[in-house]
Amino acid sequence: DTGVSQDPRHKITKRGQNVTFRCDPISEHNRLYWYRQTLGQGPEFLTYFQNEAQLEKSRLLSDRFSAERPKGSFSTLEIQRTEQGDSAMYLCASSWGTEGEQFFGPGTRLTVL
Amino acid sequence: QKEVEQNSGPLSVPEGAIASLNCTYSDRGSQSFFWYRQYSGKSPELIMSIYSNGDKEDGRFTAQLNKASQYVSLLIRDSQPSDSATYLCAVNDDYKLSFGAGTTVTVRA
Repeated sequence: DTGVSQDPRHKITKRGQNVTFRCDPISEHNRLYWYRQTLGQGPEFLTYFQNEAQLEKSRLLSDRFSAERPKGSFSTLEIQRTEQGDSAMYLCASSWGTEGEQFFGPGTRLTVL
Repeated sequence: QKEVEQNSGPLSVPEGAIASLNCTYSDRGSQSFFWYRQYSGKSPELIMSIYSNGDKEDGRFTAQLNKASQYVSLLIRDSQPSDSATYLCAVNDDYKLSFGAGTTVTVRA
């Protein structure tokens, strides 16, 4: 399977705990994006990377959120001190170039108790 | 983020009919437009991209773009029960995508 993969697919955690998600993009894609989606809404942009450089972060991304993409390959998204409002589907997408189509992974569904 | 508005659903169509989905966007400078299909509990799946004014057809799907009116639409011909899903309109916004809230389509047998 050469699509975008994400791990884990589901995560249940208690408020205040830290969680980390991983995304492996399509191998030839140089851009990687993180979005968050809540029920009844479209995905909301969080951050994106071109190769290993993080080029933009949404104001939605509080200081508790951090993302990395070492060596321009896979990416991780960490949420520290989780809150119930962090419960959502976290989606990763990748693309080639600036106007390229973005392809999404299966998502990680986070539930904060 | 740029505003993207979709016609509110749900939209119920009989099997074999045409489903028509509409989307408007706020930024006149937008150049790339996408339609994604999302089944319940799953991630968005790209079904159409359109960059130029006019129509683009792919199988049973036709995307229509009118940049002057800041309007993009999706037609699904010969609707099938498997088309029952939420359809998301997305606009390229300085490399990232801005999405509408989606329109849920139900195809009834």
